[in-house]
Amino acid sequence: RKEVEQDPGPFNVPEGATVAFNCTYSNSASQSFFWYRQDCRKEPKLLMSVYSSGNEDGRFTAQLNRASQYISLLIRDSKLSDSATYLCVVTGNSGYALNFGKGTSLLVTP
Amino acid sequence: NAGVTQTPKFQVLKTGQSMTLQCAQDMNHNSMYWYRQDPGMGLRLIYYSASEGTTDKGEVPNGYNVSRLNKREFSLRLESAAPSQTSVYFCASSESTGATEAFFGQGTRLTVV
Repeated sequence: RKEVEQDPGPFNVPEGATVAFNCTYSNSASQSFFWYRQDCRKEPKLLMSVYSSGNEDGRFTAQLNRASQYISLLIRDSKLSDSATYLCVVTGNSGYALNFGKGTSLLVTP
Repeated sequence: NAGVTQTPKFQVLKTGQSMTLQCAQDMNHNSMYWYRQDPGMGLRLIYYSASEGTTDKGEVPNGYNVSRLNKREFSLRLESAAPSQTSVYFCASSESTGATEAFFGQGTRLTVV
């Protein structure tokens, strides 16, 4: 079983919609959690870290549920520029592991 | 600010040829990584270097070697390229392993024919 699982999508949503992505991880000892964004044919870039208490950055809200071992990302008022692949990233107790999910593709349409 | 710089950006190799992918970072980061990204497979870790002088295998190390030349530079070598190594290769660095943000280079698109 892959350590980090994501629904690949694609999620096609109209501008202004709210969309949510979930991600599950298998290693209960995982310590840190992130969402990265990757545009087509570009490198991944950090979108936001995910904290135990949940955190918000503008239109983006990330939440962590350690008991159920999942992470979520909520995007409100979607913009065309939000179209990208969103990568769930989890670190574990192996020391190095930035374990990436396969990504969820989002397409925001006019 | 350069960040993480990879060279080359594109490369075509014939099966059996060798080549080295170069990576340099100017952020004084301790840890560096090499990933490959294939359609439907996501990013997979090939090798990493937690700190200068150390290297360790990741998820898919077979067919590759690495050198942490100094704190700034981390190279990836394909000794005898195979078509299965056709991929996009990303170098990344972070302040330390684990809990910190990783910064990625722009990637190297490698085709082995």
